[in-house]
Amino acid sequence: QSVLTQPPSASGTPGQRVTISCSGSSSNIGSNTVNWYQQLPGTAPKLLIYSNNQRPSGVPDRFSGSKSGTSASLAISGLQSEDEADYYCAAWHDSLNGPVFGGGTKLTVL
Amino acid sequence: EVQLVESGGGLVKPGGSLRLSCAASGFTFSTYSINWVRQAPGKGLEWVSSISSSSTYIYYADSVKGRFTISRDNAKNSLYLQMNSLRAEDTAVYYCARDYVSGSWFDYWGQGTLVTVSS
Repeated sequence: QSVLTQPPSASGTPGQRVTISCSGSSSNIGSNTVNWYQQLPGTAPKLLIYSNNQRPSGVPDRFSGSKSGTSASLAISGLQSEDEADYYCAAWHDSLNGPVFGGGTKLTVL
Repeated sequence: EVQLVESGGGLVKPGGSLRLSCAASGFTFSTYSINWVRQAPGKGLEWVSSISSSSTYIYYADSVKGRFTISRDNAKNSLYLQMNSLRAEDTAVYYCARDYVSGSWFDYWGQGTLVTVSS
């Protein structure tokens, strides 16, 4: 059971906007920034959003992140077939001296 | 180009040992904290361990504390994970991942190496 809670699945049709939620506690999301990773099928995870809402170079602006209190969200607008992947949220956990991850959300593009 | 390449995975019996390596290139290895993150088959990501740039700070997840040892050789641009007393639940793909800044986010990941613990 993961420390951060994500819905196991999400779906949308091409062009739609989808959001993925991530819920934590005061020991992780509530006191630290949230990062999001995208894992395409059969590949290693890749940094998608860092520091709540920042995009690394090369990540399309269709991807956006937000955080409020002990929850965070990833939004994907203009959904494309290549967005089909697993998405993980993560945040530093104060007592662990390391990050905790959500269980992952499998995004299906219908 | 930043590259992290893991090796050393394989099949090992319960109670056995294995040493993973992560070879880094394309950046100044000695100035970054590096982590091990694992992913059991069909499951999510789990942080395993981290080591600071000069090995001063080392941390482990409770699930591996006392059994796994992380180390690095900055002269060889390499990271290691010595895994002892392996259990079936340690079966996973093990990734090394670079900390952008210690305690921030993982900006580069290797391709992973599979460890299977089974009799």
